Amino acid sequence: EVQLVESGGGLVKPGGSLRLSCAASGFTFSTYNMNWVRQAPGMGLEWVSFISDTSSSIKYADSVKGRFTISRDNAKNSLYLQVNSLRAEDTAVYFCARGRVSGYRWPDDFDYWGQGTLVSVSS
Amino acid sequence: EIVLTQSPATLSLSPGERATLSCRASQSVSSFLAWYQQKPGQAPRLLIYDASKRATGVPARFSGSGSGTDFTLTISSLEPEDFAVYYCQQRSIWPTFGQGTKVEIK
Repeated sequence: EVQLVESGGGLVKPGGSLRLSCAASGFTFSTYNMNWVRQAPGMGLEWVSFISDTSSSIKYADSVKGRFTISRDNAKNSLYLQVNSLRAEDTAVYFCARGRVSGYRWPDDFDYWGQGTLVSVSS
Repeated sequence: EIVLTQSPATLSLSPGERATLSCRASQSVSSFLAWYQQKPGQAPRLLIYDASKRATGVPARFSGSGSGTDFTLTISSLEPEDFAVYYCQQRSIWPTFGQGTKVEIK
C-alpha cells in the first residue's frame, strides 16, 4: 500500500523557517517524481514544487521561488521542503503528492497524497 | 499561467441524482486534465486523469469528458459518500487547479 506521511509543520513567526518532511513507503520511491501542493485554510489547491526521480529537475511556483527548497533522499525514501522567509500567506496545509507516472515527466497529475502538515505563520 | 474556471461553485443535489461539473481552461490543455475529490480534513483523491480515464479503484459512476478548453465530470447517480469538493487540474504547462465545486446534499 502506498503511504505518504508528512511532518514538520508548526507555528512560526513571519520571517521564520521550517523543514517539512514526507516519508514514503509501499512503492519504489526512487522511480517517481514528487511534488508539494498546499492548501490555505478554506481555500483551493496550489502546486508549490516538483522534484524529478533523480533530483535532476526541480521546479517552483513563482510565489515561493527563492524562499523554498525541495530535496529528496532516495536512500531514505524521503522528500523534504525547506521553507524560509515565511509570510502570512504561506499559512496552509502542505501535502506531498506523487507524480502519477514513473520516470521523468513534467508536469504531471498526482495519484497519491499524504494527509498533510499544517504550517501557520503568525506573530 | 493557465487558469481553470469551475462551475457551478456549489451544486445542491439529492442522493441518486446526476451531477454534472464543468471545468473551463483559459487556453487549450489538450486532454491533460485531471479531476480530484476532497472531503473535509482529507487529502485530495485522484478520480480521473487524461480527461476521461478513471484512476485505480474509482467507481464507474464517475466519468470524465472533454478536450481542449471544456471538460465535464459526471457522477451518474450520487451516493452519500460522493458529497465533497471536486477540483480539476491541468498538466499542460505548469500544474494549476480550478477553484473547486462543492457538491452538497439538497
